[in-house]
Amino acid sequence: AQRVTQPEKLLSVFKGAPVELKCNYSYSGSPELFWYVQYSRQRLQLLLRHISRESIKGFTADLNKGETSFHLKKPFAQEEDSAMYYCALSGSSGSARQLTFGSGTQLTVLP
Amino acid sequence: DVKVTQSSRYLVKRTGEKVFLECVQDMDHENMFWYRQDPGLGLRLIYFSYDVKMKEKGDIPEGYSVSREKKERFSLILESASTNQTSMYLCASRTGTPTYEQYFGPGTRLTVT
Repeated sequence: AQRVTQPEKLLSVFKGAPVELKCNYSYSGSPELFWYVQYSRQRLQLLLRHISRESIKGFTADLNKGETSFHLKKPFAQEEDSAMYYCALSGSSGSARQLTFGSGTQLTVLP
Repeated sequence: DVKVTQSSRYLVKRTGEKVFLECVQDMDHENMFWYRQDPGLGLRLIYFSYDVKMKEKGDIPEGYSVSREKKERFSLILESASTNQTSMYLCASRTGTPTYEQYFGPGTRLTVT
């Protein structure tokens, strides 16, 4: 079975401070990991995926297979980063290829 | 630009009513999904479909059914709505490749009284 854990339901940081949203996963094969974001009154959208190894809106995430983690990081948080963030995993075969989402972290960036 | 639309933004139904939630996508995507989104629980997959007339149960299919008669349309059906089905329902679509992103609709906030 595949599982995604986001240990923080709520996270508050001040503008300009670094931010890290934690994500740990459980999956026996080779997973594909994603971060999705939902801004207030907007639809859920993809922020980044680990296979792209890209930085989006200043956010990066590195897949650490040893620690089974995919934490989302940004060195200097902005107020517009306030949103709900979901980590998601897709397995490598069969029904595991569907996305499994974590419970989400509500990020608030304070002025 | 991919567009996923859902028939209603807000819906209020009574216990025992049959409820239809409609989802339409305009990008010829093979895969479509229905999730419910609850605080503290994240998104949970109800049903998904790989192609027309094809459906698979997700993690929480009990109390729900689906229909996909056309490629662009995926309907979620609550045969007899109950109060514990009060939730936000999200539809999504995707190409056939799992590493590609899922595109989400705006959601339907269903309240069952």
